[in-house]
Amino acid sequence: NAGVTQTPKFQVLKTGQSMTLQCAQDMNHEYMSWYRQDPGMGLRLIHYSVGAGITDQGEVPNGYNVSRSTTEDFPLRLLSAAPSQTSVYFCASSPGRTSSYNSPLHFGNGTRLTVT
Amino acid sequence: DQQVKQNSPSLSVQEGRISILNCDYTNSMFDYFLWYKKYPAEGPTFLISISSIKDKNEDGRFTVFLNKSAKHLSLHIVPSQPGDSAVYFCAASYNNNDMRFGAGTRLTVKP
Repeated sequence: NAGVTQTPKFQVLKTGQSMTLQCAQDMNHEYMSWYRQDPGMGLRLIHYSVGAGITDQGEVPNGYNVSRSTTEDFPLRLLSAAPSQTSVYFCASSPGRTSSYNSPLHFGNGTRLTVT
Repeated sequence: DQQVKQNSPSLSVQEGRISILNCDYTNSMFDYFLWYKKYPAEGPTFLISISSIKDKNEDGRFTVFLNKSAKHLSLHIVPSQPGDSAVYFCAASYNNNDMRFGAGTRLTVKP
């Protein structure tokens, strides 16, 4: 059982480049989300989805796009990378339609992104 | 605005002793709280949670205490083991979709 799979594990981009961080889960979870982790800031929610075809913004959505065409996949797109987007990105999912008390988040192992 | 704060970046305890990790929050609307544990190069994993209608939840060596009047929660690990060495994140949510995390506390358990 793979759980939540994120690719790539590491990525270096130049300012202005675009790329897509991939996230796939094989647990048939409705809820999926993207977080970024920065030193001293904890994990901050970028975007989330409560089901295929439905997405919404989190705490820090600017500079990122998402789509949810299938239950399994939830890619995160950086439109024009900036040094401020250097971070570790985590994708997470949960079995309910929310990240609730009874269905905590399952996280992937992260993508470390550096923008120069 | 950091609505969930973990003011101790690190904590070191001796094996077998108690580890107490603290978390403070500012939003009185939060209705459930969770602790996640993270090892290097891995994603966080769920450890234990508590609803705002309770003041204590216990799971084996792990107990979470909630003091709503003080807007404070703590995680107690007894007895601490070297394998507990990790970063611990406190998290809180009030509308099920917007979970806020603290900055984390790095726990080191010395043999």
